Amino acid sequence: DTEVTQTPKHLVMGMTNKKSLKCEQHMGHRAMYWYKQKAKKPPELMFVYSYEKLSINESVPSRFSPECPNSSLLNLHLHALQPEDSALYLCASSLPGQGEKLFFGSGTQLSVL
Amino acid sequence: AQSVTQLDSQVPVFEEAPVELRCNYSSSVSVYLFWYVQYPNQGLQLLLKYLSGSTLVKGINGFEAEFNKSQTSFHLRKPSVHISDTAEYFCAVYGGATNKLIFGTGTLLAVQP
Repeated sequence: DTEVTQTPKHLVMGMTNKKSLKCEQHMGHRAMYWYKQKAKKPPELMFVYSYEKLSINESVPSRFSPECPNSSLLNLHLHALQPEDSALYLCASSLPGQGEKLFFGSGTQLSVL
Repeated sequence: AQSVTQLDSQVPVFEEAPVELRCNYSSSVSVYLFWYVQYPNQGLQLLLKYLSGSTLVKGINGFEAEFNKSQTSFHLRKPSVHISDTAEYFCAVYGGATNKLIFGTGTLLAVQP
Protein backbone atom coordinates (compact mmCIF):
# COMPACT_ATOMS: atom_id res chain seq x y z
CA ASP A 1 0.00 0.00 0.00
CA THR A 2 1.70 3.19 -1.20
CA GLU A 3 -1.24 5.51 -0.81
CA VAL A 4 -2.03 8.49 1.29
CA THR A 5 -5.79 8.73 1.65
CA GLN A 6 -7.53 12.00 2.39
CA THR A 7 -11.17 12.48 3.33
CA PRO A 8 -13.39 14.16 2.46
CA LYS A 9 -12.44 15.05 -1.11
CA HIS A 10 -14.60 18.15 -1.03
CA LEU A 11 -15.86 20.22 1.90
CA VAL A 12 -18.02 23.32 2.05
CA MET A 13 -18.33 25.04 5.41
CA GLY A 14 -19.56 28.26 6.92
CA MET A 15 -17.39 30.59 8.93
CA THR A 16 -18.96 29.43 12.20
CA ASN A 17 -18.66 25.72 11.51
CA LYS A 18 -16.24 23.22 13.00
CA LYS A 19 -14.98 20.53 10.67
CA SER A 20 -12.04 18.16 10.38
CA LEU A 21 -9.90 16.87 7.54
CA LYS A 22 -8.52 13.38 7.78
CA CYS A 23 -5.39 11.79 6.34
CA GLU A 24 -4.34 8.15 6.60
CA GLN A 25 -1.35 6.12 5.44
CA HIS A 26 -0.20 2.57 6.09
CA MET A 27 3.34 2.76 4.73
CA GLY A 28 4.95 2.94 8.15
CA HIS A 29 5.87 6.58 7.61
CA ARG A 30 6.45 8.38 10.89
CA ALA A 31 6.56 11.88 9.38
CA MET A 32 3.35 13.50 8.17
CA TYR A 33 2.70 16.90 6.67
CA TRP A 34 -0.09 19.35 5.93
CA TYR A 35 0.21 21.66 2.94
CA LYS A 36 -2.14 24.40 1.77
CA GLN A 37 -2.45 25.17 -1.94
CA LYS A 38 -4.33 28.16 -3.26
CA ALA A 39 -5.51 28.11 -6.86
CA LYS A 40 -2.70 28.57 -9.39
CA LYS A 41 -0.12 28.63 -6.58
CA PRO A 42 2.46 26.12 -5.28
CA PRO A 43 1.79 24.14 -2.12
CA GLU A 44 2.84 25.85 1.11
CA LEU A 45 3.91 23.89 4.15
CA MET A 46 1.69 24.31 7.23
CA PHE A 47 2.66 21.62 9.75
CA VAL A 48 5.04 18.70 10.13
CA TYR A 49 4.65 15.84 12.58
CA SER A 50 7.52 13.51 13.36
CA TYR A 51 6.85 10.46 15.52
CA GLU A 52 3.43 11.86 16.35
CA LYS A 53 4.90 15.09 17.73
CA LEU A 54 4.52 18.48 16.12
CA SER A 55 7.95 19.48 14.82
CA ILE A 56 7.18 22.36 12.46
CA ASN A 57 4.41 24.96 12.61
CA GLU A 58 4.81 27.52 9.86
CA SER A 59 3.11 30.31 11.85
CA VAL A 60 -0.31 29.00 10.91
CA PRO A 61 -3.34 30.77 12.49
CA SER A 62 -4.85 29.00 15.49
CA ARG A 63 -8.11 28.42 13.64
CA PHE A 64 -6.20 25.49 12.11
CA SER A 65 -5.44 22.82 14.70
CA PRO A 66 -3.49 19.72 13.69
CA GLU A 67 -3.59 16.41 15.50
CA CYS A 68 -1.66 13.19 15.05
CA PRO A 69 -3.44 10.56 17.19
CA ASN A 70 -1.27 7.68 15.97
CA SER A 71 1.40 6.84 13.44
CA SER A 72 -1.10 6.29 10.63
CA LEU A 73 -3.48 9.18 11.09
CA LEU A 74 -3.24 12.94 10.74
CA ASN A 75 -6.15 15.30 11.29
CA LEU A 76 -6.61 18.98 10.67
CA HIS A 77 -9.34 20.54 12.79
CA LEU A 78 -10.94 23.67 11.37
CA HIS A 79 -12.84 26.31 13.31
CA ALA A 80 -13.98 29.84 12.51
CA LEU A 81 -12.33 29.85 9.12
CA GLN A 82 -12.35 32.79 6.74
CA PRO A 83 -13.26 32.75 3.04
CA GLU A 84 -9.58 33.29 2.20
CA ASP A 85 -8.85 29.91 3.77
CA SER A 86 -10.56 28.27 0.80
CA ALA A 87 -7.91 26.09 -0.84
CA LEU A 88 -6.77 22.58 -1.59
CA TYR A 89 -5.36 21.00 1.57
CA LEU A 90 -2.79 18.32 0.87
CA CYS A 91 -1.47 15.71 3.24
CA ALA A 92 1.87 14.00 2.71
CA SER A 93 3.99 11.44 4.49
CA SER A 94 7.57 10.25 4.50
CA LEU A 95 10.06 8.26 6.49
CA PRO A 96 11.55 10.41 9.26
CA GLY A 97 14.53 12.38 8.06
CA GLN A 98 13.56 11.77 4.45
CA GLY A 99 11.48 14.85 3.84
CA GLU A 100 12.65 14.81 0.24
CA LYS A 101 10.69 11.64 -0.46
CA LEU A 102 7.12 12.76 0.09
CA PHE A 103 4.05 10.79 -0.81
CA PHE A 104 1.09 13.08 -1.37
CA GLY A 105 -2.61 12.45 -0.99
CA SER A 106 -5.08 13.77 -3.55
CA GLY A 107 -6.21 16.55 -1.24
CA THR A 108 -9.37 18.02 0.22
CA GLN A 109 -10.85 20.94 -1.72
CA LEU A 110 -12.19 23.28 0.96
CA SER A 111 -14.62 26.12 0.32
CA VAL A 112 -15.44 28.53 3.15
CA LEU A 113 -18.61 30.54 2.64
CA ALA B 1 18.26 29.66 1.88
CA GLN B 2 17.15 27.58 -1.06
CA SER B 3 14.79 28.84 -3.72
CA VAL B 4 13.53 27.68 -7.08
CA THR B 5 12.35 29.72 -10.06
CA GLN B 6 10.07 28.64 -12.85
CA LEU B 7 10.01 31.55 -15.26
CA ASP B 8 7.30 30.19 -17.55
CA SER B 9 3.83 30.25 -16.02
CA GLN B 10 2.35 28.58 -19.06
CA VAL B 11 3.80 26.63 -21.98
CA PRO B 12 1.50 25.89 -24.93
CA VAL B 13 2.62 23.11 -27.25
CA PHE B 14 1.10 20.98 -29.98
CA GLU B 15 0.62 17.27 -29.52
CA GLU B 16 3.65 15.14 -30.50
CA ALA B 17 5.98 18.17 -30.31
CA PRO B 18 8.93 18.27 -27.91
CA VAL B 19 8.76 20.40 -24.79
CA GLU B 20 11.11 21.84 -22.21
CA LEU B 21 9.97 23.29 -18.90
CA ARG B 22 12.59 25.46 -17.25
CA CYS B 23 13.67 25.43 -13.63
CA ASN B 24 16.50 27.29 -11.96
CA TYR B 25 17.48 26.93 -8.35
CA SER B 26 19.49 28.90 -5.85
CA SER B 27 21.39 27.32 -3.01
CA SER B 28 24.72 27.69 -1.26
CA VAL B 29 24.80 24.01 -0.37
CA SER B 30 24.10 20.74 -2.15
CA VAL B 31 20.43 20.12 -2.72
CA TYR B 32 18.08 17.55 -4.05
CA LEU B 33 15.88 18.53 -7.00
CA PHE B 34 12.48 17.26 -8.02
CA TRP B 35 9.75 17.60 -10.59
CA TYR B 36 6.15 16.97 -9.58
CA VAL B 37 3.05 16.88 -11.77
CA GLN B 38 -0.43 17.88 -10.64
CA TYR B 39 -3.47 17.01 -12.72
CA PRO B 40 -6.64 19.07 -12.17
CA ASN B 41 -8.19 18.59 -8.73
CA GLN B 42 -5.57 16.08 -7.71
CA GLY B 43 -2.54 15.86 -5.46
CA LEU B 44 1.08 15.93 -6.54
CA GLN B 45 2.80 12.99 -8.20
CA LEU B 46 6.57 12.67 -8.32
CA LEU B 47 7.86 12.64 -11.90
CA LEU B 48 11.58 12.36 -11.20
CA LYS B 49 14.30 13.40 -8.80
CA TYR B 50 17.98 14.19 -8.73
CA LEU B 51 19.81 13.20 -5.57
CA SER B 52 23.33 12.52 -6.85
CA GLY B 53 25.20 10.65 -9.57
CA SER B 54 24.27 10.89 -13.24
CA THR B 55 23.09 14.34 -14.19
CA LEU B 56 20.52 12.99 -16.64
CA VAL B 57 17.54 11.68 -14.76
CA LYS B 58 14.74 9.69 -16.31
CA GLY B 59 11.29 9.67 -14.83
CA ILE B 60 7.83 8.37 -15.44
CA ASN B 61 5.66 9.04 -18.50
CA GLY B 62 8.69 9.58 -20.76
CA PHE B 63 9.98 12.67 -18.99
CA GLU B 64 13.63 13.37 -18.25
CA ALA B 65 15.59 16.20 -16.67
CA GLU B 66 19.19 17.27 -16.65
CA PHE B 67 20.95 18.68 -13.63
CA ASN B 68 23.38 21.44 -14.59
CA LYS B 69 25.35 22.65 -11.61
CA SER B 70 27.20 25.44 -13.44
CA GLN B 71 23.93 26.92 -14.68
CA THR B 72 22.00 25.96 -11.54
CA SER B 73 19.28 24.51 -13.70
CA PHE B 74 17.12 21.40 -13.72
CA HIS B 75 15.03 21.62 -16.88
CA LEU B 76 12.36 19.05 -17.65
CA ARG B 77 12.03 17.63 -21.17
CA LYS B 78 9.87 15.28 -23.15
CA PRO B 79 10.53 14.48 -26.81
CA SER B 80 6.87 14.05 -27.78
CA VAL B 81 3.95 15.19 -25.65
CA HIS B 82 0.41 13.85 -25.49
CA ILE B 83 -2.86 15.55 -24.68
CA SER B 84 -2.83 13.65 -21.39
CA ASP B 85 0.34 15.49 -20.35
CA THR B 86 -1.69 18.66 -19.86
CA ALA B 87 -1.15 19.50 -16.20
CA GLU B 88 0.67 21.80 -13.79
CA TYR B 89 4.33 20.97 -13.29
CA PHE B 90 6.21 22.00 -10.17
CA CYS B 91 9.95 22.06 -9.71
CA ALA B 92 11.08 21.68 -6.09
CA VAL B 93 14.28 21.82 -4.08
CA TYR B 94 15.14 20.15 -0.80
CA GLY B 95 18.19 20.41 1.34
CA GLY B 96 20.34 22.58 3.53
CA ALA B 97 19.34 23.68 6.97
CA THR B 98 15.62 24.01 6.38
CA ASN B 99 14.89 20.36 5.62
CA LYS B 100 11.80 21.48 3.75
CA LEU B 101 10.61 20.83 0.25
CA ILE B 102 10.31 24.22 -1.44
CA PHE B 103 8.23 24.48 -4.59
CA GLY B 104 8.48 26.78 -7.56
CA THR B 105 5.41 28.66 -8.75
CA GLY B 106 4.55 26.02 -11.32
CA THR B 107 4.26 25.82 -15.11
CA LEU B 108 1.03 24.89 -16.82
CA LEU B 109 1.77 22.62 -19.77
CA ALA B 110 -1.11 23.05 -22.21
CA VAL B 111 -1.00 20.45 -24.97
CA GLN B 112 -3.14 21.28 -27.99
CA PRO B 113 -4.31 18.86 -30.69
